[in-house]
Amino acid sequence: DVKVTQSSRYLVKRTGEKVFLECVQDMDHENMFWYRQDPGLGLRLIYFSYDVKMKEKGDIPEGYSVSREKKERFSLILESASTNQTSMYLCASMRLADSYEQYFGPGTRLTVT
Amino acid sequence: QKEVEQDPGPLSVPEGAIVSLNCTYSNSAFQYFMWYRQYSRKGPELLMYTYSSGNKEDGRFTAQVDKSSKYISLFIRDSQPSDSATYLCAMRSNAGGTSYGKLTFGQGTILTVHP
Repeated sequence: DVKVTQSSRYLVKRTGEKVFLECVQDMDHENMFWYRQDPGLGLRLIYFSYDVKMKEKGDIPEGYSVSREKKERFSLILESASTNQTSMYLCASMRLADSYEQYFGPGTRLTVT
Repeated sequence: QKEVEQDPGPLSVPEGAIVSLNCTYSNSAFQYFMWYRQYSRKGPELLMYTYSSGNKEDGRFTAQVDKSSKYISLFIRDSQPSDSATYLCAMRSNAGGTSYGKLTFGQGTILTVHP
């Protein structure tokens, strides 16, 4: 059974802190994605990765960076958290041959105070 | 203007009703059209997928794509309380290279089916 896990379900951080969100998939998928989900705005792509150490900016990369050192793991980094980064963060993975189905993790609800 | 527009609702219907969910888009390069369903406190899951124009049926669910109007729909027949969720449309083009597999999502429609 396909599985994408995220390191935390809920996270509370202070303004200015460095924040790491971890995502692991066990399906040997090539592509991995980080989204944020906000009411009325839907899912917005932050960054994605199509291979180890490879990354591409999505639609809203400002204030974020990513790391993919191993195929199964994709990390999202908030260098200096701000209150406008309070959101639900969703990680997804996708097999290249099935380029319409992304498998999502349960999400991390991040609150920055 | 967003590439994909979806009425966020919320939509509240009685059990047994026919539900119609819709999205419009502006990018004529979109070729793959998906509907994802997201239950509360869960990640989205693929519900249906259609390539190019036409209809696709799966049980109580029917997906329609009208590329000439840049309009897609999801119909739910005999809706059930278990259908209560957020429904997101998603699309992608045939573009290759590093953008392969990148999806563009609508805002999501919150649906509640009450007994």
